Amino acid sequence: EPEVTQTPSHQVTQMGQEVILRCVPISNHLYFYWYRQILGQKVEFLVSFYNNEISEKSEIFDDQFSVERPDGSNFTLKIRSTKLEDSAMYFCASTRTGRREKLFFGSGTQLSVL
Amino acid sequence: QQQVKQSPQSLIVQKGGISIINCAYENTAFDYFPWYQQFPGKGPALLIAIRPDVSEKKEGRFTISFNKSAKQFSLHIMDSQPGDSATYFCAASRQGAQKLVFGQGTRLTINP
Repeated sequence: EPEVTQTPSHQVTQMGQEVILRCVPISNHLYFYWYRQILGQKVEFLVSFYNNEISEKSEIFDDQFSVERPDGSNFTLKIRSTKLEDSAMYFCASTRTGRREKLFFGSGTQLSVL
Repeated sequence: QQQVKQSPQSLIVQKGGISIINCAYENTAFDYFPWYQQFPGKGPALLIAIRPDVSEKKEGRFTISFNKSAKQFSLHIMDSQPGDSATYFCAASRQGAQKLVFGQGTRLTINP
């Protein structure tokens, strides 16, 4: 069964450092998303991306965050200057048609900011 | 208005029992209500979903009950099994929106 792959599974960084989280969506999917889950809290939407553009973003997704599809297979989330409160599990998700019913999540990257 | 409130936070059920998790929402523009199941170390996976034009949807041992007037929906797991032990999230979305709004999650433990 095809799956969304995220690397690394766990990343530790120092406050103020830049971090890039990587995702390989399912190969024929066209819509890409990042969600995050702070420990013990709910899963929160960050951003959606289609046709090389951000289509929707939340209030969380400020100027410190950016997304990119640098090639035909990867989808990345960059945090420019990490803060302690950025510590969370970050989930990548994708869907082929943009239909909410066909959303597939990756296993997540646990980001720890020290 | 964008919130989805989920309860309980944790739930312990004996094997063979019925697990019930509840969610409530405020935004009447929501028109899609999925439940996701998450095992440790894995991302959320779609379990079952409902739209507000029906009051109940059943898939195997999993049933969603939907009360549009009360703006509530719930997940029922019949004959609960130890393999059902996981975290369950309800979510909601409105037509045309890209994002899902998730509830806080329920950690379900099924005792053998």
